[in-house]
Amino acid sequence: GQQLNQSPQSMFIQEGEDVSMNCTSSSIFNTWLWYKQDPGEGPVLLIALYKAGELTSNGRLTAQFGITRKDSFLNISASIPSDVGIYFCAGLNYGGSQGNLIFGKGTKLSVKP
Amino acid sequence: DAGVIQSPRHEVTEMGQEVTLRCKPISGHNSLFWYRQTMMRGLELLIYFNNNVPIDDSGMPEDRFSAKMPNASFSTLKIQPSEPRDSAVYFCASSWGQGRSGANVLTFGAGSRLTVL
Repeated sequence: GQQLNQSPQSMFIQEGEDVSMNCTSSSIFNTWLWYKQDPGEGPVLLIALYKAGELTSNGRLTAQFGITRKDSFLNISASIPSDVGIYFCAGLNYGGSQGNLIFGKGTKLSVKP
Repeated sequence: DAGVIQSPRHEVTEMGQEVTLRCKPISGHNSLFWYRQTMMRGLELLIYFNNNVPIDDSGMPEDRFSAKMPNASFSTLKIQPSEPRDSAVYFCASSWGQGRSGANVLTFGAGSRLTVL
């Protein structure tokens, strides 16, 4: 079945540093989503990407939909302590049912003040 | 909107007991999803409904798991009998649409953390 490889699995950074994480797949997706999960909460949508090559920003966050449709990255600039959490990528192929939203295993981000 | 509401937030039960998790989706959303999250397997889709009808239940692990959506504003996930390996966080999510652009943005609830002793 379809799988997403998300990397890195975890990151330990200093406050103020930039962060980059990515997702790759052997399959093509028509939608890429990036979610953040705070401890004890459900994932919350950060950015949605719908077109190959699309680059979208949301404050200090920037995400891109890879031109091959098989990858996406998320960058966080000037990290702050509240960026701590688990970041998930998710991909969807319209050819399947709506339930075919595939999630990566997550990148756990720790920010040292 | 209050978002997706799940209850209970935490449940501790003994092996063999029946567990019922509840979900109220966002008003106006026509799709509802049940996910299970564990450290080992990440987020797994168990079942999803569209317009109250189960569309794909291939992720339901065993016959011990069942889900219902009697109306547009309520769904339950039941485990009977429960086993220790069912311990996980169960998320309900809802969305609007039929799989088209802009309609696959899932809004998650806060989750129900289940511990089966």
